[in-house]
Amino acid sequence: QQKVQQSPESLIVPEGGMASLNCTSSDRNVDYFWWYRQHSGKSPKMLMSIFSNGEKEEGRFTVHLNKASLHTSLHIRDSQPSDSALYLCAASVTNYNVLYFGSGTKLTVEP
Amino acid sequence: EAAVTQSPRNKVAVTGGKVTLSCNQTNNHNNMYWYRQDTGHGLRLIHYSYGAGSTEKGDIPDGYKASRPSQENFSLILELATPSQTSVYFCASGGTGREQYFGPGTRLTVL
Repeated sequence: QQKVQQSPESLIVPEGGMASLNCTSSDRNVDYFWWYRQHSGKSPKMLMSIFSNGEKEEGRFTVHLNKASLHTSLHIRDSQPSDSALYLCAASVTNYNVLYFGSGTKLTVEP
Repeated sequence: EAAVTQSPRNKVAVTGGKVTLSCNQTNNHNNMYWYRQDTGHGLRLIHYSYGAGSTEKGDIPDGYKASRPSQENFSLILELATPSQTSVYFCASGGTGREQYFGPGTRLTVL
């Protein structure tokens, strides 16, 4: 069973709209979540990380974390066509420098 | 930002042949990783290393070997390549903060 599950698999939003992506882990030892963005034909690049309950905002991007349910979500407001990419969620376990990646959500922002 | 390079960027190999993928990082990171990426599977960890001379098995190590001769270099070796190993391979490096920096990827086709 995959340690990290993401939903939806794909998402289409209009330009200027809100995109909401979800990620859950089944491993109770997970203590940190990461969101990576991968544009087509490029390598993944870290977008945001979170380890505390609550939310973290950076510009148009907001990440939420509920540690009790091991659920994190990424919200992109005022979505732009340049936000179209594969969004990968990853989780890590305390004192273990390995990331477990989900299958990703493919976001398409239509002009 | 971390600098991770991979070579070759594209490779066509024959079934049963030996393939070596190389990775170099200039950030003095202790940790290095090899992933493969296939549609629908996100990033899957093949091998990783905590420093020169060490290699560890990831989630899908079968059919792959790894070598870490120095802090900067980490190689992935396919002794007997098979068509099922056709994929995009990413190398990454990471320090104590667990964030990983990815190279540009190698597209491998095994005929």
